[in-house]
Amino acid sequence: RKEVEQDPGPFNVPEGATVAFNCTYSNSASQSFFWYRQDCRKEPKLLMSVYSSGNEDGRFTAQLNRASQYISLLIRDSKLSDSATYLCVVTNAGNNRKLIWGLGTSLAVNP
Amino acid sequence: EPEVTQTPSHQVTQMGQEVILRCVPISNHLYFYWYRQILGQKVEFLVSFYNNEISEKSEIFDDQFSVERPDGSNFTLKIRSTKLEDSAMYFCASSGGGLGYTFGSGTRLTVV
Repeated sequence: RKEVEQDPGPFNVPEGATVAFNCTYSNSASQSFFWYRQDCRKEPKLLMSVYSSGNEDGRFTAQLNRASQYISLLIRDSKLSDSATYLCVVTNAGNNRKLIWGLGTSLAVNP
Repeated sequence: EPEVTQTPSHQVTQMGQEVILRCVPISNHLYFYWYRQILGQKVEFLVSFYNNEISEKSEIFDDQFSVERPDGSNFTLKIRSTKLEDSAMYFCASSGGGLGYTFGSGTRLTVV
């Protein structure tokens, strides 16, 4: 089983749509959770950390379910500029510095 | 905003040649990393570096790879004898101790 698995994608949505990304992780002892965004041939950039209580940043909401080992990202009112690949990333207990990456889900927001 | 700087942005090399990828981390950061991403694949951890030594390395980081912080500002990744399968984007990152990483814009290595 892959350490971090994501929706295969790609997602094609119209502007203004709500889009949800899902991610599961295999190590129940995983400690920290993130969503990164990566534009084509660019470096990954941190979008948001994910907490058990859930967190929101403007149009973006992230949720963590430790029991199900499941992480989600919701984008509301999607913009053309949201088009990118969204990467689910975790770190494992005792090694909080090594990022373990999912393959990513590509999102295209269309006018 | 402080940046991690990587040079060159693109390197083409012949198979079997040595390459050195350079990175200038953020000046007050303590932890340094190299990750790579083969085209169409996930980002993979290569190595972490702290207090002037490797703190962890992946199975990818074999004897052909080495890292160095020669002068307190640069952080280099050397591949001694490149193979075709080393072709990838190589990202340098640094962090100050918390969970906030800053990535450089990457070096695209093409081995021909």
